[in-house]
Amino acid sequence: AQSVAQPEDQVNVAEGNPLTVKCTYSVSGNPYLFWYVQYPNRGLQFLLKYITGDNLVKGSYGFEAEFNKSQTSFHLKKPSALVSDSALYFCVLNSGNTPLVFGKGTRLSVIA
Amino acid sequence: DAGVIQSPRHEVTEMGQEVTLRCKPISGHDYLFWYRQTMMRGLELLIYFNNNVPIDDSGMPEDRFSAKMPNASFSTLKIQPSEPRDSAVYFCASSLGSYSRYNEQFFGPGTRLTVL
Repeated sequence: AQSVAQPEDQVNVAEGNPLTVKCTYSVSGNPYLFWYVQYPNRGLQFLLKYITGDNLVKGSYGFEAEFNKSQTSFHLKKPSALVSDSALYFCVLNSGNTPLVFGKGTRLSVIA
Repeated sequence: DAGVIQSPRHEVTEMGQEVTLRCKPISGHDYLFWYRQTMMRGLELLIYFNNNVPIDDSGMPEDRFSAKMPNASFSTLKIQPSEPRDSAVYFCASSLGSYSRYNEQFFGPGTRLTVL
């Protein structure tokens, strides 16, 4: 069965510091992995995706994510956090034959 | 492009009333998805359409829920009769392509439904 785990409900980071939001997955076939962000009272917005190829994926707003097949992880990273990055982040798995599997979300709080 | 449009943005109704949520997907997109988001259950897929045809409605919680897509530019999600436990934010999303599983979905702003 496909699954996605976001082990942290909340991540706090100081502005200017690097941030990491963790995600691990389980799938029997090839994983197609996405990160979405949800700002308050808004719908989800696509940040980046891994389909194949380079394990380091760059996305919107300076975010990037590293696909690690051996650790079955797809952590979201940013070198320098901004207060405006504070939002709810979802890791999403698409195994290709079933609807998307969403993680529970991680709330990122960037403190000035 | 206006993005995915949902209406109304907020709906407050009384238990037992019929509720209709509306969605206009991005022009040209051939997949449309309805989701429900609550604090307790997170984001749940209710149903999705491909080229206006319902493909998977296994996420629809019960017969009180129904969804239609009469044409490529319009979809509705109806709850009849509504119950307090239906209170949630309902999102519509659309995506493009026969390899839609590779493609990102574009979400609307959501409808916040409160059933009293």
